[in-house]
Amino acid sequence: KQEVTQIPAALSVPEGENLVLNCSFTDSAIYNLQWFRQDPGKGLTSLLLIQSSQREQTSGRLNASLDKSSGRSTLYIAASQPGDSATYLCAVRVSGYSTLTFGKGTMLLVSP
Amino acid sequence: DAGVIQSPRHEVTEMGQEVTLRCKPISGHNSLFWYRQTMMRGLELLIYFNNNVPIDDSGMPEDRFSAKMPNASFSTLKIQPSEPRDSAVYFCASSFVDRLTRTSYEQYFGPGTRLTVT
Repeated sequence: KQEVTQIPAALSVPEGENLVLNCSFTDSAIYNLQWFRQDPGKGLTSLLLIQSSQREQTSGRLNASLDKSSGRSTLYIAASQPGDSATYLCAVRVSGYSTLTFGKGTMLLVSP
Repeated sequence: DAGVIQSPRHEVTEMGQEVTLRCKPISGHNSLFWYRQTMMRGLELLIYFNNNVPIDDSGMPEDRFSAKMPNASFSTLKIQPSEPRDSAVYFCASSFVDRLTRTSYEQYFGPGTRLTVT
């Protein structure tokens, strides 16, 4: 059974700092991996989707990398801003039409 | 597009009462997912529909929970009778899944229904 772990569970940084969020998964045979953002009291917003054949995806100040062989993905946030404060979740899909398995998320606080 | 729509946004009910949560997926999406989120267990998949047919309901906790999708634009999740341990945020999500090519596209989540059972 696929398990997804996110470390740390919480992270607090000052504004402007570059940071990395980690996601690991137990079964390296994944189809794709998706990073989400969740603001308090809100639903999940998709940030980046990385297919298993890709090494990374970029969107603005966000860069997600994927290393299937080691069962890891990282989400890099450049020049963090208070508006980046949220919980970030990663989720993996093991086949083209399987469902997503989620990690428990990393709660990020960026202080001004 | 309005995105995934869920109602109600908040529900407070007493133990033993029936609760019905509603979801309208994004138009054109053929897959719908119901999730439950708690602090202890995180985000858990309850049930997954493809083309209105339940594909995987292994996450449904027990017989008190039931879900239906009578058409492509509407789904319900019902809890009867409700218990305090059912208190959680329930999310509906939708996506397009091409079963011919076995390709799943991004999932889009609704804002959730916060359920409190006293």
